[in-house]
Amino acid sequence: GQQLNQSPQSMFIQEGEDVSMNCTSSSIFNTWLWYKQDPGEGPVLLIALYKAGELTSNGRLTAQFGITRKDSFLNISASIPSDVGIYFCAGQFSGGYNKLIFGAGTRLAVHP
Amino acid sequence: GAGVSQSPRYKVAKRGQDVALRCDPISGHVSLFWYQQALGQGPEFLTYFQNEAQLDKSGLPSDRFFAERPEGSVSTLKIQRTQQEDSAVYLCASSLRGDGYTFGSGTRLTVV
Repeated sequence: GQQLNQSPQSMFIQEGEDVSMNCTSSSIFNTWLWYKQDPGEGPVLLIALYKAGELTSNGRLTAQFGITRKDSFLNISASIPSDVGIYFCAGQFSGGYNKLIFGAGTRLAVHP
Repeated sequence: GAGVSQSPRYKVAKRGQDVALRCDPISGHVSLFWYQQALGQGPEFLTYFQNEAQLDKSGLPSDRFFAERPEGSVSTLKIQRTQQEDSAVYLCASSLRGDGYTFGSGTRLTVV
């Protein structure tokens, strides 16, 4: 079973609002990743984090790798309708080919 | 190809039927992964190939599940004697070195 707790499960916000979601784990990960999945499609990588404490931005998205290496958050600023989708965190125990452990996802709906 | 291609996109199988799901990874990608995504959940790891070698099959839920990649390119996930609990989206991902996955759009399997 999955080892990540992702919250919130769902969010319904107004266009222009900021969004924050996070993941916690009982295990220490070496890599944290954030993906977005649109209906009928596979997950698409948004941000990858490789060091504890690392803060990385990709446009309106900002993600941080927690100091304890057991948590991560994703912020979306000034949300727009195309931000709608399911956001997944994923942890990886070490580099290389090791499998990803996914959270259950945060479903984001944006009201124009 | 430009992306990871999976076929069929949708499959309806009667309980007890065998199915075969195909994945065409990005050309030249050494690593190939299969994940299972149940409705409302994040993807869960099934198995990993490096070229034609299946290096990790720890996620396969039962001996009814079998995966192969005989020439180190196209991979097939086979499910024998399908059960209702096998209904899910099956995602394939490929990677040049084992990180930086690119996911396909998945095959949605419904067992009736």
